[in-house]
Amino acid sequence: AQSVTQPDIHITVSEGASLELRCNYSYGATPYLFWYVQSPGQGLQLLLKYFSGDTLVQGIKGFEAEFKRSQSSFNLRKPSVHWSDAAEYFCAAVSGNTPLVFGKGTRLSVIA
Amino acid sequence: DGGITQSPKYLFRKEGQNVTLSCEQNLNHDAMYWYRQDPGQGLRLIYYSQIVNDFQKGDIAEGYSVSREKKESFPLTVTSAQKNPTAFYLCASSYGGTSYEQYFGPGTRLTVT
Repeated sequence: AQSVTQPDIHITVSEGASLELRCNYSYGATPYLFWYVQSPGQGLQLLLKYFSGDTLVQGIKGFEAEFKRSQSSFNLRKPSVHWSDAAEYFCAAVSGNTPLVFGKGTRLSVIA
Repeated sequence: DGGITQSPKYLFRKEGQNVTLSCEQNLNHDAMYWYRQDPGQGLRLIYYSQIVNDFQKGDIAEGYSVSREKKESFPLTVTSAQKNPTAFYLCASSYGGTSYEQYFGPGTRLTVT
C-alpha cells in the first residue's frame, strides 16, 4: 500500500540552529512529493514540491528539500530556524489518479 | 483575491443533529477534497470530487455526505450517524485533478456535545 512516514512526532530545536525533518515514502513508482506547514488552528500552506528534475528543491520561508530515490526519502531542511517556524509539518505524496497521501506530521518547537 | 473559504470557523451542535460545513473556492480548480484532522492522526480523507456531479469516498466516509452541484462549492454534511464528529475539518482544492498540489482553506472546528 502507498504510504508516507514521518518518523519524528515532535522535534525541538534552538532558534538559529539548523533543522532537518524526515520523510520516507513507499510507492511502486516515484511519486510527486510535497511539504506543507500548519500553524495551530489554521489550514495547511504548501512549502515546496518535487515533480522531477533537480533533486534539491527550494521553497518558501527559506526551506529546501532533497529527494533521494535510493532512500525513498524527501527530507525538509532549513539552515537557521526562526521562532516563527514553530508549527506542524506534513509530508505528502501522490502517484497516478489517486489523492494525496499525508504523513502524520512532525510538530516543531523552537526554543530561545 | 483567490482562495478557499470555509465557514463558519467554529461550529457547535447537539448530538443527533446533522450539520453542513461550507467550502467555496474561486481558484477555478477542478478537484475538491474534505479532510478530518484529529490530534496525532494527521489528515484523513473523507470525500473528494474531481468534477461537478461526481465524487468518491475517501478513507473515512462513513457518517458523512457531500454534493458537488457547482465547480466552486463542495459542502460536507456531518450526519448523526458519525460516531465521533468533533474534529477539525479542512477543505482543499487542486487544479487539474488529484495529482497536483492541493490548496487548503482555513478549516472549521466542529464541536458536538
